[in-house]
Amino acid sequence: EFQLLESGGGLVQPGGSLRLSCATSGFTFNTYAMNWVRQAPGEGLEWVSLITSSGGATYYADSVKGRFTISRDNSKNTLYLQMNSLRADDTAIYYCAKDGGPYGYNAFDYWGQGTLVTVSS
Amino acid sequence: EIVMTQSPATLSVSPGERATLSCRASQSVSSNLAWYQQKPGQAPRLLISGASTRATGIPARFSGSGSGTEFTLTISSLQSEDFAIYYCQQYDKLPPITFGGGTKVEIK
Repeated sequence: EFQLLESGGGLVQPGGSLRLSCATSGFTFNTYAMNWVRQAPGEGLEWVSLITSSGGATYYADSVKGRFTISRDNSKNTLYLQMNSLRADDTAIYYCAKDGGPYGYNAFDYWGQGTLVTVSS
Repeated sequence: EIVMTQSPATLSVSPGERATLSCRASQSVSSNLAWYQQKPGQAPRLLISGASTRATGIPARFSGSGSGTEFTLTISSLQSEDFAIYYCQQYDKLPPITFGGGTKVEIK
């Protein structure tokens, strides 16, 4: 059974940092690209970042480029999102989502339940 | 950036009726289009990929069609569990991967 479990969310002040984790099981983690997608309260879905299966390539939305860093540890079957210089408009539920292939360019076939990040003073 | 536009924003449908949701891309995405369903308090769930291929475990009443810039999700006979928000997504060109704004299917 596919499982993706996010953690690391919480309340942080503007300008602060958080590191999200997504622990996975039930599939061969190192053969699939992985994504982070966020959803602000009451809003739609916004893709944040993608990392290829090997970790050799990463992509970001313009809204987070230069502030967020996606990474993965294939030995631990875990995906990460380091978030720096956080702003109020980063407040959202952050989902990790499994890509259907190793390089992106596929639908997201499995999603975690999300972790809430709140940026507020 | 490819902009995905969904219509209508809200669709009021009676149980047992057909629902037709539209998604338009600002430029061609070939068949690299997915549909997701999201219920309150839950993560999105993949329904359709490749514009028309149902994901594992998705009932046959869900069908997708289209290619290029115009796409449709049809729910042939709405069940109570189908009232939710539906999002389209293009994964043809990245970055960024882009989602539509969603269509809320509500009970009439």
